[in-house]
Amino acid sequence: SYELTQPPSVSVSPGQTARITCSGDALAKQYAYWYQQKPGQAPVLVIYKDSERPSGIPERFSGSSSGTIVTLTISGVQAEDEAYYYCQSADSSGPYVVFGGGTKLTVL
Amino acid sequence: QVQLVQSGAEVKKPGASVKVSCKAFGYTFTSYYMHWVRQAPGQGLEWMGIIDLSGGFTSDAQRFQGRVTMTRDTSTSTVYMELSSLRSEDTAVYYCARDVLYCSGGSCYSPQYYFDYWGQGTLVTVSS
Repeated sequence: SYELTQPPSVSVSPGQTARITCSGDALAKQYAYWYQQKPGQAPVLVIYKDSERPSGIPERFSGSSSGTIVTLTISGVQAEDEAYYYCQSADSSGPYVVFGGGTKLTVL
Repeated sequence: QVQLVQSGAEVKKPGASVKVSCKAFGYTFTSYYMHWVRQAPGQGLEWMGIIDLSGGFTSDAQRFQGRVTMTRDTSTSTVYMELSSLRSEDTAVYYCARDVLYCSGGSCYSPQYYFDYWGQGTLVTVSS
């Protein structure tokens, strides 16, 4: 099956670096995408194609990939970064789109 | 600017159907694909399907096959998602989300299977 696994929660202090991982066999062949979702709001794309940052997204957001694991890194975390983060991938041959279960980032 | 504006909240009884609309503004409607994604209360995101806004072709996630119908009206730049045989587990916020159009070297490619703009969401409550 096509599954993406994320840790349920990550906590960091302001100014520290947060790293959120997403693992899945398909990530070895397919790109990963990351979305930020704040309560009561629609998701916002923060990283696409593993490591590209859309215009308007702060430089403190970055992404990396290694084999079957992708990582979203937020450097110099700010209070406003507290949110849920979802990884996503896809298989166009299906087509099939899958999301990770989401990680709640808490800024202490 | 690009905006996706969805219809208002719905309350339905089990076994009924619901039709959610998503009206697009600020871009060439038929140049893109649109997806539907839902989120049950307190849960994660779940992909439902994709529609080609030019030709109307659709593909939906296996778990919804037979229950979801996606259509579009190019004259009003509106996409619709109808879910039938509703059950309590279908209670969720339903989002339309625009697929990305990737352009390079004078050519554009779609769908890319990720999302650059989202509607505000429509809460569908299924309750007897």
